[in-house]
Amino acid sequence: AQTVTQSQPEMSVQEAETVTLSCTYDTSESDYYLFWYKQPPSRQMILVIRQEAYKQQNATENRFSVNFQKAAKSFSLKISDSQLGDAAMYFCAYRSDSWGKLQFGAGTQVVVTP
Amino acid sequence: DTEVTQTPKHLVMGMTNKKSLKCEQHMGHRAMYWYKQKAKKPPELMFVYSYEKLSINESVPSRFSPECPNSSLLNLHLHALQPEDSALYLCASSQVGGLAEDTDTQYFGPGTRLTVL
Repeated sequence: AQTVTQSQPEMSVQEAETVTLSCTYDTSESDYYLFWYKQPPSRQMILVIRQEAYKQQNATENRFSVNFQKAAKSFSLKISDSQLGDAAMYFCAYRSDSWGKLQFGAGTQVVVTP
Repeated sequence: DTEVTQTPKHLVMGMTNKKSLKCEQHMGHRAMYWYKQKAKKPPELMFVYSYEKLSINESVPSRFSPECPNSSLLNLHLHALQPEDSALYLCASSQVGGLAEDTDTQYFGPGTRLTVL
């Protein structure tokens, strides 16, 4: 079974600074998908970014970018120019096929200070 | 439009009540999901429907009964719940197969906060 590990329960960052959230996963498959979801206090799960394992290029969405290291099974999220609205729980998730079960990590709480 | 809607937003029920949660999407997705989430924990998958047929049941107690009347609608019927069933219930949907770039991506609704007294 696949496992997803987020080793940082909480990360604090000042406004306008950069923070990096770590995520590692365990799988024997070669094709899979990785995601970062954001869950603010409203508890709506919001997709931040997705990565297809067969793509070498790291995904980027505005201030959010990933560092995908397939051999190391690592999928970190970098938030640049942090804003107060970025404060949320961030979940890393793995999916092995085009539909079906998402395997979530335990989450990292991001705190943004003015 | 990547919206999934859920009703009600909040629900308080007694252990002998029968209630239902509703989820709706109009993105043409053919897979729909129910998750249960406790505070400060990741979501836990409960059920998956694909093409209106139940494809995954994660050993959920029978007091939770899912239903998928059509491709846009997903219900979760609740009966004789326990206080430990109090949680946020999230619905999600995704495409199945096809050539769209996001066929692998699940989109979540805002959730229903359930309290069982």
